[in-house]
Amino acid sequence: AQKVTQAQTEISVVEKEDVTLDCVYETRDTTYYLFWYKQPPSGELVFLIRRNSFDEQNEISGRYSWNFQKSTSSFNFTITASQVVDSAVYFCAPSGGTYKYIFGTGTRLKVLA
Amino acid sequence: DAGVIQSPRHEVTEMGQEVTLRCKPISGHNSLFWYRQTMMRGLELLIYFNNNVPIDDSGMPEDRFSAKMPNASFSTLKIQPSEPRDSAVYFCASSRAGQLGNTIYFGEGSWLTVV
Repeated sequence: AQKVTQAQTEISVVEKEDVTLDCVYETRDTTYYLFWYKQPPSGELVFLIRRNSFDEQNEISGRYSWNFQKSTSSFNFTITASQVVDSAVYFCAPSGGTYKYIFGTGTRLKVLA
Repeated sequence: DAGVIQSPRHEVTEMGQEVTLRCKPISGHNSLFWYRQTMMRGLELLIYFNNNVPIDDSGMPEDRFSAKMPNASFSTLKIQPSEPRDSAVYFCASSRAGQLGNTIYFGEGSWLTVV
């Protein structure tokens, strides 16, 4: 069974600050994938990134970066120079040997102008 | 390319009424999912179809809920009779099947309020 913990319920930062959202997961699968989704105030769920368990290279996409540490079962997400438009709920979701994603409870990020 | 399309976007109905939510998956995707999101329970998988066949409906709350996928481009989620506790956002999502860890793409959701 898989489990994911997003311990930060809500984070508030001032615009242009960097912010890191934590994600810790548990899985017995040897091969698995990890996902991050964004849910802005408008409500839709937007796919951000997919990583597989064999690729521990960090990934950067513009202001977004992801740090995957298999040894600590963490897949953290950092936003550099945050903007008001980054305000959203962010979900981490591991997916193991099945079609089932296990979504975390989400972290609500508020970026203040 | 069109994403997952859901309708209606918003629905307000009275307790006891039948509610039908509709979904058109992304063309070429043969896996379809219905999720429900509430404050209390977060995102829950209700049912999963692969090639139009229901594979896992263990998340369907009770017999009042039913889902169908008559063809590759259409699915419905029906609640009959509806109850206030069914108020939630219902998401349809789709992915390409057959590979581990396929990305799931979500629709914009159907916001259901049962009064």
